[in-house]
Amino acid sequence: GQSLEQPSEVTAVEGAIVQINCTYQTSGFYGLSWYQQHDGGAPTFLSYNALDGLEETGRFSSFLSRSDSYGYLLLQELQMKDSASYFCAVNGGATNKLIFGTGTLLAVQP
Amino acid sequence: DGGITQSPKYLFRKEGQNVTLSCEQNLNHDAMYWYRQDPGQGLRLIYYSQIVNDFQKGDIAEGYSVSREKKESFPLTVTSAQKNPTAFYLCASSIYRDGETQYFGPGTRLLVL
Repeated sequence: GQSLEQPSEVTAVEGAIVQINCTYQTSGFYGLSWYQQHDGGAPTFLSYNALDGLEETGRFSSFLSRSDSYGYLLLQELQMKDSASYFCAVNGGATNKLIFGTGTLLAVQP
Repeated sequence: DGGITQSPKYLFRKEGQNVTLSCEQNLNHDAMYWYRQDPGQGLRLIYYSQIVNDFQKGDIAEGYSVSREKKESFPLTVTSAQKNPTAFYLCASSIYRDGETQYFGPGTRLLVL
């Protein structure tokens, strides 16, 4: 089967750094994406890694290790508005379908 | 402004009734997707379409149907065969062969009366 595993919840304080991990088992792999979803809202695209290494976009960075089937999203200088669910997703093949993890609920406390 | 619109925001279905959820995009994207999200869960793919007049089943297509007659429109019908339709339905689109970057609509919340 195909699966992605993420922690269900993470709590951190304002101004801190938090890392959200994602491990995957899929029959194919083109890349790992990250999406943010605020409560009741639509998911929004954050980042994409097709190759090993770290991609940085402002306060957010995403890392991929294809050999370990593992990636993470790193959020720095946490703000209250970062409280949301974060989903990793794998593009498993030529059909461009995304397989989503169950999401990590991040709670940022003052 | 370019984007994806979904309507209605809330939809109520009676037993045995078919209902249709609208999804329209003006991003000129080739691919469109329908997902179902249950409370505290991830997104599960219902149907997707990479070009007009073509669509494929996702992981949970039973009880749902779609059409793709126009590039900008991808309506989803929840049929009476779907016994547990209460969920948050999200439509998304992407550039062809760039499925990693999907743009989502605001969603439709379907409730059963």
